[in-house]
Amino acid sequence: SAVISQKPSRDICQRGTSLTIQCQVDSQVTMMFWYRQQPGQSLTLIATANQGSEATYESGFVIDKFPISRPNLTFSTLTVSNMSPEDSSIYLCSVAGVETQYFGPGTRLLVL
Amino acid sequence: AQSVTQPDIHITVSEGASLELRCNYSYGATPYLFWYVQSPGQGLQLLLKYFSGDTLVQGIKGFEAEFKRSQSSFNLRKPSVHWSDAAEYFCAVGAKTSGTYKYIFGTGTRLKVLA
Repeated sequence: SAVISQKPSRDICQRGTSLTIQCQVDSQVTMMFWYRQQPGQSLTLIATANQGSEATYESGFVIDKFPISRPNLTFSTLTVSNMSPEDSSIYLCSVAGVETQYFGPGTRLLVL
Repeated sequence: AQSVTQPDIHITVSEGASLELRCNYSYGATPYLFWYVQSPGQGLQLLLKYFSGDTLVQGIKGFEAEFKRSQSSFNLRKPSVHWSDAAEYFCAVGAKTSGTYKYIFGTGTRLKVLA
């Protein structure tokens, strides 16, 4: 299994600002995923991040709003740009293991 | 298109009672199926998974799930619920799309356990 950490664990941000969330994995992985979990909702995939290539975004998510970096096989960042209260969610990092997926603890974001 | 349906948004059971959480999926081939649990303020923990073989799979914390192809279902069961099982449970399907696997999650079932 993979051990995943995320920073920050939670934050309160002002409207119009940006927040970068970091995801660190204890082993090298090819595929990393970023999900959003809005209050009381299920998980929605934002994008898939492969090292050495641009992230692939799901329908409804764009790079300008959620830029992603993947500088190496153990690390990725997701930035939530120009935030609005609708961006208040839990953001989860995930990695693909052997026929399964492991999740980080999540970053709880509240936008005022 | 692939989809996962969890018909029950909330379920309340008494401690010691049996539990069954329903999950139905839509996928053209044999799917990879998962159950995750999310405790309040926590991340997601994998309870069990099914890929092939025996259709009854055992997981952690005394949970099991049965894959029924004819019903496109993967229901989660536990014979005797403990108060610590109160959490949100997500069913997910792993589907291959454009050469990569994506995981599609159901909307979740929130379990409340009465003492």
